[in-house]
Amino acid sequence: KNEVEQSPQNLTAQEGEFITINCSYSVGISALHWLQQHPGGGIVSLFMLSSGKKKHGRLIATINIQEKHSSLHITASHPRDSAVYICAVPFDMDSNYQLIWGAGTKLIIKP
Amino acid sequence: KAGVTQTPRYLIKTRGQQVTLSCSPISGHRSVSWYQQTPGQGLQFLFEYFSETQRNKGNFPGRFSGRQFSNSRSEMNVSTLELGDSALYLCASSPDGANTEAFFGQGTRLTVV
Repeated sequence: KNEVEQSPQNLTAQEGEFITINCSYSVGISALHWLQQHPGGGIVSLFMLSSGKKKHGRLIATINIQEKHSSLHITASHPRDSAVYICAVPFDMDSNYQLIWGAGTKLIIKP
Repeated sequence: KAGVTQTPRYLIKTRGQQVTLSCSPISGHRSVSWYQQTPGQGLQFLFEYFSETQRNKGNFPGRFSGRQFSNSRSEMNVSTLELGDSALYLCASSPDGANTEAFFGQGTRLTVV
């Protein structure tokens, strides 16, 4: 069983639609990262959150630590939002810290 | 504030050669982590350096090594290159590593022929 699972794997929507990407994890964490990767490889850190909700422009991230679940929402989606969205969870076992990555959600927004 | 800089952006090497990739973190950040991204395996953690010491290590063979300098710049070296080493190599810098926000470079795309 993967320790970090994202859904859906692929998502195609029309411009303007409200987008939700989900992330569930099984490892204990203190924070969760949402990242965006555009074609060509560049990765941008969108959010790091450990509780509640964060908002940046049209992006909103929420996390429920008790349920081990986080969601990334995009309001008024635009073709430039097309990218792969990845959630990553810090995993610390015996001081061996690393990020455990979800498989990513490939989002395509059509004009 | 300058972002994370990785050089070179693209690299083509032949099997058996070695390669060195460079990552300059954001000023003031002491942690640099390296990741390999391939279509089949996704993002995989290579290692993390903090204050010139390797603090964490993923499950990669010894052909993959790294180091960090006193100015926090980090290099990653891959010796005896194999075709399967073709990938995008990403570095991430953060103030402290664990539980702090990571900032990524654009990556170095390595092709082994």
